Amino acid sequence: ETGVTQTPRHLVMGMTNKKSLKCEQHLGHNAMYWYKQSAKKPLELMFVYSLEERVENNSVPSRFSPECPNSSHLFLHLHTLQPEDSALYLCASTQFLQGTGSYNEQFFGPGTRLTVL
Amino acid sequence: AQKVTQAQTEISVVEKEDVTLDCVYETRDTTYYLFWYKQPPSGELVFLIRRNSFDEQNEISGRYSWNFQKSTSSFNFTITASQVVDSAVYFCALRETSGSRLTFGEGTQLTVNP
Repeated sequence: ETGVTQTPRHLVMGMTNKKSLKCEQHLGHNAMYWYKQSAKKPLELMFVYSLEERVENNSVPSRFSPECPNSSHLFLHLHTLQPEDSALYLCASTQFLQGTGSYNEQFFGPGTRLTVL
Repeated sequence: AQKVTQAQTEISVVEKEDVTLDCVYETRDTTYYLFWYKQPPSGELVFLIRRNSFDEQNEISGRYSWNFQKSTSSFNFTITASQVVDSAVYFCALRETSGSRLTFGEGTQLTVNP
């Protein structure tokens, strides 16, 4: 595998289900992101992890719960979602440069297309 | 607050035409980075370019070129001799130098017809 991979690519779930989205990066990066992309809306940043610590939590409802067990993996746990949560969920990774405190460009996965019924 | 505006929601051209995608940004930061990403129908955002605010030199990469003008806060993207495979949504984005957050524009849907 190369780059950033996401599974599943498509997910249909009911409002009472619990599911998880998985992201894995094979680039040796140390920072990972979750974005939400809804139709006709800009990409919305959800969470940022840097060096396995959450550094941004962008006012996301608690029905979305991120987990970053190591620098290569990022999960988004979903429970009791609403139909308006249907969207493309994109994962990205980048390198945080500890010496300068800056970030390189982000590389994205193909996304998980989520439909909530 | 940072903001990126891509005023062109959709552009449609015929193959081999040149096309320019506009991007205007707002930021209070004196140093920042600008980016362009391409999102084909498969969904994955593909990184195209990163530009530091200190570097106003225009860049050319094959059929792609970028015009950065700090005086007008614009970072426009031109595709020369467009091809059908260029059809995608293109996003312009801004990030402050020390921040982790990218601010995206709303994207421009480019359709290149044969």
